[in-house]
Amino acid sequence: DAGVIQSPRHEVTEMGQEVTLRCKPISGHNSLFWYRQTMMRGLELLIYFNNNVPIDDSGMPEDRFSAKMPNASFSTLKIQPSEPRDSAVYFCASSPGPPSYEQYFGPGTRLTVT
Amino acid sequence: RKEVEQDPGPFNVPEGATVAFNCTYSNSASQSFFWYRQDCRKEPKLLMSVYSSGNEDGRFTAQLNRASQYISLLIRDSKLSDSATYLCVVRPSTGGFKTIFGAGTRLFVKA
Repeated sequence: DAGVIQSPRHEVTEMGQEVTLRCKPISGHNSLFWYRQTMMRGLELLIYFNNNVPIDDSGMPEDRFSAKMPNASFSTLKIQPSEPRDSAVYFCASSPGPPSYEQYFGPGTRLTVT
Repeated sequence: RKEVEQDPGPFNVPEGATVAFNCTYSNSASQSFFWYRQDCRKEPKLLMSVYSSGNEDGRFTAQLNRASQYISLLIRDSKLSDSATYLCVVRPSTGGFKTIFGAGTRLFVKA
């Protein structure tokens, strides 16, 4: 069975440009999470969805960030406009939900904003 | 105080050694606990869930101490391939599916 799929794996863009990150969760999982990881701040939860509905977006840094989950097999994280401080690795994870709350991560998207 | 705290290490141990990591959490009502492993430039991967009764998987043993609010991970007979960062993860009961990741403990196993 395929794991969580993310694209692109690497993204280099200039400040001010729009960036869209994509995620396909594991089939049958009903929760999806977006994380950001940097050396300074570690792994931070940005937002998570349950049954395609955003449940907690308190980790989204500011209005430049938005996330959608139009169906059970696809989610996007968009940054517009991007800034150099957005440079990080962005992970998507999915979970089957209760009773198991285990999360399975995708390979991540390494974003560099110059 | 951070919600989940870990000793960042690094722990440098020889092959064959036994090493233990602790992790403390601040929310006494937390319900689910996990250890994840992250290799350099890779995604975190689930190592094991931690149950109230403790659990063991081969060379790895995880324990939960609710009274003192900490979980532990013991690795016996360390292998070079165990070198990684170990992340402690806690799910607060009031957080739904939300989980809190610790900053991780670096382990280096040397020949």
